[in-house]
Amino acid sequence: NAGVTQNPKFQVLKTGQSMTLQCAQDMNHNSMYWYRQDPGMGLRLIYYSASEGTTDKGEVPNGYNVSRLNKREFSLRLESAAPSQTSVYFCASSPLVPYEQYFGPGTRLTVT
Amino acid sequence: QKEVEQNSGPLSVPEGAIASLNCTYSDRGSQSFFWYRQYSGKSPELIMFIYSNGDKEDGRFTAQLNKASQYVSLLIRDSQPSDSATYLCAVRFSYDKVIFGPGTSLSVIP
Repeated sequence: NAGVTQNPKFQVLKTGQSMTLQCAQDMNHNSMYWYRQDPGMGLRLIYYSASEGTTDKGEVPNGYNVSRLNKREFSLRLESAAPSQTSVYFCASSPLVPYEQYFGPGTRLTVT
Repeated sequence: QKEVEQNSGPLSVPEGAIASLNCTYSDRGSQSFFWYRQYSGKSPELIMFIYSNGDKEDGRFTAQLNKASQYVSLLIRDSQPSDSATYLCAVRFSYDKVIFGPGTSLSVIP
C-alpha cells in the first residue's frame, strides 16, 4: 500500500512554462485535494474533487487547472508558470466521514 | 470567512512535560476536527480526529473539543524531542471542505 504518491518530487520551471503535477492514491478514497504551502501561510486549498468526475475551486485556484482522471488519479496543471507559484504542493485524499486527509510527500516547485 | 486560528509559537517545553496546543474556529456549524503533525521538509501526517464534545485519548495524545467555546486543543503528555514539529489544526466546515490553521511550532528541549 503506497498511500498517496506524487510526481515529480522537485521541479524548476522558467516563467511561462507549463507542467502537470501528478497524484495517485491506492486507498480507494472518494475525495482528493491539491494544496500549496508557503512559509507563514499554512496550507491553502487550490482545488478539490469530492468524487470521480467532479472538481471544485478552493481558496486559491487562479493559475491552476485540475483533472480527476479516475478514482485514483488527480492532476494539477500550471498552464503558464509564474514566480508567485513557487511553493510546495501537496496532494491529499480522504475517505467519507469523518474526511480525515492523507497526504502525499509533496512536490517542491521553483519558478524562476 | 471561515477561519481557523492557532498561536504560531514557537512553543518550547522541557522533555517529559505536557505540551498544550490550542486552536479556535469561527463557524459554529463545524463538524469534525483534526490534528496533524508536520516535520520540517515533510508532509502533514494525521495524529487524531474528534467530532464529539469532550476528550479523546490516543496514547500520549489527548484531543479536547468544546463546541460552545469553538475551541479544540491537543495535549501531548511526556513530551519527547521527537515530538518537535509543527502541529496543524484542521476543521471541516461542510461536506469535503476542510480549512487548516497556520500551525504551531513545538520544540521539546532535552
